[in-house]
Amino acid sequence: DAGVIQSPRHEVTEMGQEVTLRCKPISGHNSLFWYRQTMMRGLELLIYFNNNVPIDDSGMPEDRFSAKMPNASFSTLKIQPSEPRDSAVYFCASSFGGGPWDEQYFGPGTRLTVT
Amino acid sequence: AQKVTQAQTEISVVEKEDVTLDCVYETRDTTYYLFWYKQPPSGELVFLIRRNSFDEQNEISGRYSWNFQKSTSSFNFTITASQVVDSAVYFCALSENLVNNYGQNFVFGPGTRLSVLP
Repeated sequence: DAGVIQSPRHEVTEMGQEVTLRCKPISGHNSLFWYRQTMMRGLELLIYFNNNVPIDDSGMPEDRFSAKMPNASFSTLKIQPSEPRDSAVYFCASSFGGGPWDEQYFGPGTRLTVT
Repeated sequence: AQKVTQAQTEISVVEKEDVTLDCVYETRDTTYYLFWYKQPPSGELVFLIRRNSFDEQNEISGRYSWNFQKSTSSFNFTITASQVVDSAVYFCALSENLVNNYGQNFVFGPGTRLSVLP
């Protein structure tokens, strides 16, 4: 079975542009998570969904960030407008259970560079 | 508030040595979960173990073992007879089971970079 799929793997964009990151969770998993990893702040949980419903978005940095999960097999994380400080690796993860207390399976990440 | 401390930023050992990675956590909840994840140089995070707050039994899986002590709020990870393939960043994480109305209930520690030298 395929693992968590993220696209693109690398994204380079200019400040002010809109960026959309995509994630396909493992089939059958009920929860989906978006994380950001930077040297300064480490790994941060941005938002998670359960059964396609956003449960906790308290980690979303600001209004420039938004996430959607229109169906059980697809989610997006959008940054509009992007800023250089958004440069990071963004991970998507999924799990069988209802939240981050369950074992999570991570995707390979999207490395975002905003110039 | 919750907090996970991994005081060892980097550790280097020679192959076949045993190594222990420390994790100390803070939480006010009585029900919580602790995790260890591995991030090899390829970058993808890999789940290693989950332990709930009511199960203080130590766990052994091959060369890996975990020591959970609520009295000291620690969940340490030991690799026995380390191998070069164990080189990675290891993260300890804490999740509170209580789903608060709002706010973070899952946090990673800063990670410990382990280098196993041949």
